[in-house]
Amino acid sequence: AQTVTQSQPEMSVQEAETVTLSCTYDTSESDYYLFWYKQPPSRQMILVIRQEAYKQQNATENRFSVNFQKAAKSFSLKISDSQLGDAAMYFCAYRSARGMDSNYQLIWGAGTKLIIKP
Amino acid sequence: NAGVTQTPKFQVLKTGQSMTLQCAQDMNHNSMYWYRQDPGMGLRLIYYSASEGTTDKGEVPNGYNVSRLNKREFSLRLESAAPSQTSVYFCASSEATASGLSETQYFGPGTRLLVL
Repeated sequence: AQTVTQSQPEMSVQEAETVTLSCTYDTSESDYYLFWYKQPPSRQMILVIRQEAYKQQNATENRFSVNFQKAAKSFSLKISDSQLGDAAMYFCAYRSARGMDSNYQLIWGAGTKLIIKP
Repeated sequence: NAGVTQTPKFQVLKTGQSMTLQCAQDMNHNSMYWYRQDPGMGLRLIYYSASEGTTDKGEVPNGYNVSRLNKREFSLRLESAAPSQTSVYFCASSEATASGLSETQYFGPGTRLLVL
């Protein structure tokens, strides 16, 4: 069974600086999707960035980028120029790309709380 | 375009009471999901509906039932609430690609449920 591990329960960064959140996963599959979701105090889950495992190029979305290391099964999120609005819980998630019914499920990490210091 | 909406936002129940959580999406997505989130844990899938007319159990289905009323709506029912079901419940939806695979999931704002 697949698992997702976020080893940092909490991280803090000074406003305008860069921070990296770690995520590792375990799978025997070769084709899958990886996601970072943000959950602010409002509790809504918001997609930050997505990576397809078959793509070697790391995904980027404005100030957010990932470092996807498939062989190491690592998927870290880098936030550049941190802003106060980035303060939230960040969840890493995995989904198989096999497409069978049982693989519609997202496998979630436990989350990392990101604190932004003004 | 409201995305995924959930009602109610907050509910208090007594042990043994029943209630239905409502979810609707206006993105014409085929797949819909119900998750629960407990402190210090990631989301856990309760039930999902890959397409209209189908529902399947997820990781933690016991104590819950679901209904995919139509393509837009997917409800979650607690028949006899227990304190262990105190949690935040999220509904999500996703679209299928031409190959039939579901893509990114879009989440509602959540329902906070307290069972006394």
